[in-house]
Amino acid sequence: EIVLTQSPGTLSLSPGERATLSCRASQSVSSTYLAWYQQKPGQAPRLLIYGASSRATGIPDRFSGSGSGTDFTLTISRLEPEDFAVYYCQHYGSSLWTFGQGTRVEIK
Amino acid sequence: QLQLQESGPGLVKPSETLSLTCTVSGGAISSSSYYWGWIRQPPGKGLEWIGSMHYSGSTYYNPSLKSRVTMSVDTSNNHLSLKLSPVTAADTAVYYCARQTTFYYCMDVWGKGTTVTVSS
Repeated sequence: EIVLTQSPGTLSLSPGERATLSCRASQSVSSTYLAWYQQKPGQAPRLLIYGASSRATGIPDRFSGSGSGTDFTLTISRLEPEDFAVYYCQHYGSSLWTFGQGTRVEIK
Repeated sequence: QLQLQESGPGLVKPSETLSLTCTVSGGAISSSSYYWGWIRQPPGKGLEWIGSMHYSGSTYYNPSLKSRVTMSVDTSNNHLSLKLSPVTAADTAVYYCARQTTFYYCMDVWGKGTTVTVSS
């Protein structure tokens, strides 16, 4: 069973700064099945990135995903006030869906 | 526009059965292009996948919950159902249903979630 480890646990940044979030898989995975979600307090998660690098419908281009193998990255180029939230990576493989533990992006 | 709405009891007693329904509107649950899944989130914690089902009957469960979970699809009423039994306090969580694509296997549409508390 693949384990996804996200780092850092918390990222403290100011609006306008660049955010770099990491998701590391315990073994090599297909980038086709790697996704990122954003969750704000009291809300359901929202799909941001699928296939490791494709933005979901309506997602601003300041969000980008990259990576392959065991290391994947979500980058927010310039943080907007509404981007402060928790972010999860997710993988599908062998008929199992797995989430990372999340990275909280908070206002510094 | 596709919408998902979870419903069910907000309070369940320990050792009993948690039963939830996800109503799909604005689209057919019998689409071959999607799985339909349940995900939960204990208070203050992260997301945990519970299980996923295709209308054709293919069903996959989280190994850690498999012995206690049953999912079903009602295509005539466009419903997805979840049963978890027996429950303990550790099953207290917000329960979400979500649509999952069959190519990228991501969750592209989510319900708003329903809170279930397990307590006597």
